[in-house]
Amino acid sequence: GNSVTQMEGPVTLSEEAFLTINCTYTATGYPSLFWYVQYPGEGLQLLLKATKADDKGSNKGFEATYRKETTSFHLEKGSVQVSDSAVYFCALSAHAGGTSYGKLTFGQGTILTVHP
Amino acid sequence: DTGVSQDPRHKITKRGQNVTFRCDPISEHNRLYWYRQTLGQGPEFLTYFQNEAQLEKSRLLSDRFSAERPKGSFSTLEIQRTEQGDSAMYLCASSLVRQGPGDEQFFGPGTRLTVL
Repeated sequence: GNSVTQMEGPVTLSEEAFLTINCTYTATGYPSLFWYVQYPGEGLQLLLKATKADDKGSNKGFEATYRKETTSFHLEKGSVQVSDSAVYFCALSAHAGGTSYGKLTFGQGTILTVHP
Repeated sequence: DTGVSQDPRHKITKRGQNVTFRCDPISEHNRLYWYRQTLGQGPEFLTYFQNEAQLEKSRLLSDRFSAERPKGSFSTLEIQRTEQGDSAMYLCASSLVRQGPGDEQFFGPGTRLTVL
């Protein structure tokens, strides 16, 4: 079956530090890959996505590249801010034919805390 | 507000009671998903609808759980004879299925269930 593994957390950084959150996956076929973020007191929201190998998703200074050869989708940001403190979830959606199969398989989440 | 809404936001019940949650998706979205999230874990898929048809149910969804989406609009998730292990956050998400991968799911704020 499909699965997503994220690096163990929590992660604590100082403002302006470099961030990497590792994510690897197991899936049949060619899944779409996502990073969702959950800010304190808010619902899950899509941060970025990539739908095929070598695609790079980016948003709000965050980036992740779909690496089929290493089955990875690591999240990076060059300079984090206090406002980036949140829980980050890596997820995949398997495909059936040309239409997204739909259901998301999530990793366990990584808590990020950024200090001033 | 045109996002996904869920009601109630919190529910406390005694073991053995029945509970029902409601989800109102974004109005033009044809897919609706239910997930369950326990503390420290990522969301786990429960079931999903395309329009009014329930297309898949997870093995996590025991016979005590039932979901409906009459007329392809709002959805309800009912848990009968609740158990303490049902305590979790129940998340609803909706999406618009297109011919292509990577459909974004929009999540509601969740209903937190506590079974005493």
